[in-house]
Amino acid sequence: EPEVTQTPSHQVTQMGQEVILRCVPISNHLYFYWYRQILGQKVEFLVSFYNNEISEKSEIFDDQFSVERPDGSNFTLKIRSTKLEDSAMYFCASSKTGTGANVLTFGAGSRLTVL
Amino acid sequence: KNQVEQSPQSLIILEGKNCTLQCNYTVSPFSNLRWYKQDTGRGPVSLTIMTFSENTKSNGRYTATLDADTKQSSLHITASQLSDSASYICVVSVITGGGNKLTFGTGTQLKVEL
Repeated sequence: EPEVTQTPSHQVTQMGQEVILRCVPISNHLYFYWYRQILGQKVEFLVSFYNNEISEKSEIFDDQFSVERPDGSNFTLKIRSTKLEDSAMYFCASSKTGTGANVLTFGAGSRLTVL
Repeated sequence: KNQVEQSPQSLIILEGKNCTLQCNYTVSPFSNLRWYKQDTGRGPVSLTIMTFSENTKSNGRYTATLDADTKQSSLHITASQLSDSASYICVVSVITGGGNKLTFGTGTQLKVEL
């Protein structure tokens, strides 16, 4: 069964450093998403991406965050200058369609620890 | 503010027993309601998706119900197995200008014991 793959599975970084989390969505999917889950809390929407541009973003997704689809397969989330509160599990997801009962397939997540 | 509330927060049942998890939501404009299963340290996996007009949907031993009038949903698990131990998350999809946006509940942590 096709899956969304994320790397790294765990990254530890110092506060203020830049971090790039990588995702390979399912090949025939057109819509891509990043969500995050702080330990013990609920999953929160960050951003959705379609046709090489951001289609929706949350208030969490401030100027420190950016997304990019650098080639035909990868989808990345960059955090420019990490803060302690950025420590969380970051999930990438993809879907074929963007509306209706679109099934989002999630990756296993990248755990980010900011020290 | 869009919110999704779930109960109970946690639940322990014996293998083979049934259980029902509850979800209440205040989300607008509503697109659809989903139930996800999330194993510890893994991404959420979709179990069911129900639109406004659907009252019930099954996926194997999982049966979800939706009452769009009262804005309530339930997930019923029959003949539970040890592998059902996970967090079960109610997720409501909101229609936005950029497509669907998912609002997650805090989940019900289910533990199935021998």
